[in-house]
Parts: sequence; C-alpha cells; structure tokens
Amino acid sequence: DTGVSQDPRHKITKRGQNVTFRCDPISEHNRLYWYRQTLGQGPEFLTYFQNEAQLEKSRLLSNRFSAERPKGSFSTLEIQRTEQGDSAMYLCASSYFRGGDYGYTFGSGTRLTVV
Amino acid sequence: KNEVEQSPQNLTAQEGEFITINCSYSVGISALHWLQQHPGGGIVSLFMLSSGKKKHGRLIATINIQEKHSSLHITASHPRDSAVYICGQNFVFGPGTRLSVLP
Repeated sequence: DTGVSQDPRHKITKRGQNVTFRCDPISEHNRLYWYRQTLGQGPEFLTYFQNEAQLEKSRLLSNRFSAERPKGSFSTLEIQRTEQGDSAMYLCASSYFRGGDYGYTFGSGTRLTVV
Repeated sequence: KNEVEQSPQNLTAQEGEFITINCSYSVGISALHWLQQHPGGGIVSLFMLSSGKKKHGRLIATINIQEKHSSLHITASHPRDSAVYICGQNFVFGPGTRLSVLP
C-alpha cells in the first residue's frame, strides 16, 4: 500500500492553458474525492466518485473543471482555460467505509501556479 | 447551506497542557470529520464520528448531535502536536485551528 499518489507534485502554467492532474487512490478504496485548498483555508470540496460514478459535484465548480474516473481506478482532474484564481493546492483523497470501520487517506497534492 | 466554524483560530499551549478545539456545524446529516495538517505537510484523517466519543492515543473527539457541536481534545500535549486541525461535515470544512505547542 503506497497511499494516495498524485501527479505532478507541482505545475506552473500560463493563464489560458489547460492542465490535467492525476490521482491514484488506494486500491481497496471505492470512493475518491477531489478538493482544492488555498492558504489559510480548509479543503474545499470539488467532486466525489464512488467507483466510476461521479456522485456529487460542487456548485462552486465552473464548467472549466471536469473530472473522470474511468474503470473506477485512477482519476483525472482537468482545468480548461486556467485563470490566476485557479492557483491552489489540488488534493485527492480516497476512502472506504465498512460497518463501523473506515479509512480516509489524502494524497500530498498537486500545487498549481497560474502565471 | 452547510457552514462549519472552528474556535479558536489560533492556540498556543505549553507542553503537557490539555487542549480543546471546538467545531460547530449547521447541517447535521453525515459524520463529522477531524483532520490534521502539519506545516508544509499532508493532511491526515484523525476521526470520523457520528455520535458519542472516539479515542486514539492522546486524541479524543466528541460530538453532540443535538447541539451540532464537536470537540477535539489533546491530552499531555507535545510539540509534535503542532499543526492545523480542521473539522468538516458533509464535504464542508472549516478554516482550521492553528495549534502551537511550546517545549
């Protein structure tokens, strides 16, 4: 078990460019979450999958953001036409819940800087 | 709309002190989540609880569903407990409480 992996760790892009981030969850975890975090704030929910189904998406998310989880394994988050306000840490987490037991693991994040 | 508030915003304690961090939320649907984030570090899930109390080592989390309030307690605090503690519920997280434990 190598935990939740995110790639890349850092991304610098010019405004207007598209970026894509990848998250590899813990293999036994059926749920996958994307969050965004800016300095001094808690994680802000973006979207969540159960297996391959995208069950919830934040209304804060504009049409420029899209996420996929084909085959219920890894997930990608794409931001189109990036804006400076998109600069943040993008966090992925995965989880399982079985009876009273649970596991919830965050990845180290992808830090996006839009210049 | 769910809102999550935490208090205090910042907390400084001496090593060995008993620490309490508070969390209030407005929508009581799903479990309450406590996270720990070290400076420049990743986020660790500490507890998810829907009722009562949970304990892990020196950390204790309690929740009062009627009052929509949860507390995180740290007994015999240590400098390595210095971190930001974040609570959240139903995908909404508070801004965190920054804890510094001085030796």
